[in-house]
Amino acid sequence: AQRVTQPEKLLSVFKGAPVELKCNYSYSGSPELFWYVQYSRQRLQLLLRHISRESIKGFTADLNKGETSFHLKKPFAQEEDSAMYYCALASGGSYIPTFGRGTSLIVHP
Amino acid sequence: GAGVSQTPSNKVTEKGKYVELRCDPISGHTALYWYRQSLGQGPEFLIYFQGTGAADDSGLPNDRFFAVRPEGSVSTLKIQRTERGDSAVYLCASSTSGAGNEQFFGPGTRLTVL
Repeated sequence: AQRVTQPEKLLSVFKGAPVELKCNYSYSGSPELFWYVQYSRQRLQLLLRHISRESIKGFTADLNKGETSFHLKKPFAQEEDSAMYYCALASGGSYIPTFGRGTSLIVHP
Repeated sequence: GAGVSQTPSNKVTEKGKYVELRCDPISGHTALYWYRQSLGQGPEFLIYFQGTGAADDSGLPNDRFFAVRPEGSVSTLKIQRTERGDSAVYLCASSTSGAGNEQFFGPGTRLTVL
């Protein structure tokens, strides 16, 4: 069975500080990993996916198969980054994601 | 253009009642997904439609839950004999056909079973 673990329910940082939201997964095959974000009073939306290897809003995430991790990073947090972040994994070509429980990021001014 | 819409935004019902939740996907999106999100948890997959047919209903928790998409557009999630444990936010998403395409989520329906 596949599983996604986000160990932190809440992450609180100050503006300008580096941010790392942790995500670990368990899956025996080749995973497809995603980060979704939900800003206050907005809909859940895709932030980035590992196959795209792109940086969105300054965020990057690298798939580490050895450590089975897909941590989300940003070197300098902004107040507008405050949101709920969900890591998700899909498998078997279905692309129906299994979500983690989410991490609430709060960036203080 | 308009995004995914869901109605109602809030639904309060009593234990044992029947409820229907509606999802209007983005026009032209052939794939439609239903998820359930309980408090403090991430979305949990329920069912996936490709066109009119349910391509994967492995996430439906039991036979009280059923979903239809008769014309390949609007979908209705139906819950019979509701239980307090069914209380959650029910999310709908749609995408263009094909695995891996980005899913666009609706605002959700918050269901409360008293």
